[in-house]
Amino acid sequence: DAGVTQSPTHLIKTRGQQVTLRCSPKSGHDTVSWYQQALGQGPQFIFQYYEEEERQRGNFPDRFSGHQFPNYSSELNVNALLLGDSALYLCASSGTPGSQETQYFGPGTRLLVL
Amino acid sequence: ELKVEQNPLFLSMQEGKNYTIYCNYSTTSDRLYWYRQDPGKSLESLFVLLSNGAVKQEGRLMASLDTKARLSTLHITAAVHDLSATYFCAVDKNFGNEKLTFGTGTRLTIIP
Repeated sequence: DAGVTQSPTHLIKTRGQQVTLRCSPKSGHDTVSWYQQALGQGPQFIFQYYEEEERQRGNFPDRFSGHQFPNYSSELNVNALLLGDSALYLCASSGTPGSQETQYFGPGTRLLVL
Repeated sequence: ELKVEQNPLFLSMQEGKNYTIYCNYSTTSDRLYWYRQDPGKSLESLFVLLSNGAVKQEGRLMASLDTKARLSTLHITAAVHDLSATYFCAVDKNFGNEKLTFGTGTRLTIIP
């Protein structure tokens, strides 16, 4: 049973560029959440997708956008990259909102903005 | 705004000793999660606590939840080197599988 997968594992971009990160949820899960983890900090919630719609959003600017596909996989897009966007980006999958289970995290994509 | 605080932030313990990590949160919630993170790695789910008084144990780790005090604890018994990692608690303020607010993390180092 494949867990949560993310691609790419590492990425280097320059300021002003755009980036797309990808996530496939654990088998049987239909909800995908994205988190940003800066070095030495706890993860911060970016947004969550369910039924191909954004359900909730954290305190992140509109430069951060996402999408969920019919097969439940998801993309995170970040436009106009800033140095401060350098972080580990984690995707988490879970069952239908309201179900009593934890979120399972993928291995993450480490983004470095130069 | 929900705030989640952990203490201590850093903890060095000798092997074989017991210790407790504390997680306080600022608003009502009855869902709390504990995760482990090894350096450069992702988050591994340890415990899900879903009600007041919930206690769960796995090996040398035991977690509990007191929703009235807005406090969760992660107790480590007879620590071994393999437990060295950063431990995060996370609170789900809404009803299940929604936005998780994480604590600051506790970096635990077990010294032989």
